[in-house]
Amino acid sequence: QKEVEQDPGPLSVPEGAIVSLNCTYSNSAFQYFMWYRQYSRKGPELLMYTYSSGNKEDGRFTAQVDKSSKYISLFIRDSQPSDSATYLCAMSANTGRRALTFGSGTRLQVQP
Amino acid sequence: NAGVTQTPKFRVLKTGQSMTLLCAQDMNHEYMYWYRQDPGMGLRLIHYSVGEGTTAKGEVPDGYNVSRLKKQNFLLGLESAAPSQTSVYFCASSSTGASEKLFFGSGTQLSVL
Repeated sequence: QKEVEQDPGPLSVPEGAIVSLNCTYSNSAFQYFMWYRQYSRKGPELLMYTYSSGNKEDGRFTAQVDKSSKYISLFIRDSQPSDSATYLCAMSANTGRRALTFGSGTRLQVQP
Repeated sequence: NAGVTQTPKFRVLKTGQSMTLLCAQDMNHEYMYWYRQDPGMGLRLIHYSVGEGTTAKGEVPDGYNVSRLKKQNFLLGLESAAPSQTSVYFCASSSTGASEKLFFGSGTQLSVL
């Protein structure tokens, strides 16, 4: 079983829709939770960063972490064609030495 | 405003050949990482470095070697390439480790025939 599970999609929505992307994880030591966005043939770029449980909002994007359920979500409001990309969740148990553990990514297509 | 630069962008190897992938960052970051990305597998850590002269194994280190002789450079070597190493390779760097933002290069597409 993978430490981080993510539905690969693809997920296709019309422009303006609300998008929900999710990941589950098994390691209760994870404290840092991130969402990376990856456009085709590009490297991932950080989109959202959350420490421990709770919500964080940045413009049209909201990240939620529920540590009791080991479940994280990314919501995109008023989705745009430019949001079409692969979204990778990532998490880390501590600061410093260890690198991130990534989900396999969900491919999102926003239809104009 | 280069950030993280990877060379080459594309490469085709025959089984048994060797090659080195170069990663250079101009942000004075301490931490550098090599990941591979395969369909359905996400990003998997190969090796990483927490500073000049230091390296450590990640999740899938077999068949790869790395060196960090200079702080700004992190090299990934394949001594005897195998078809299973066909993948997209990404280098990343960060200032203080896994809790901080990773900056990624644009990737190297490697095919081993």
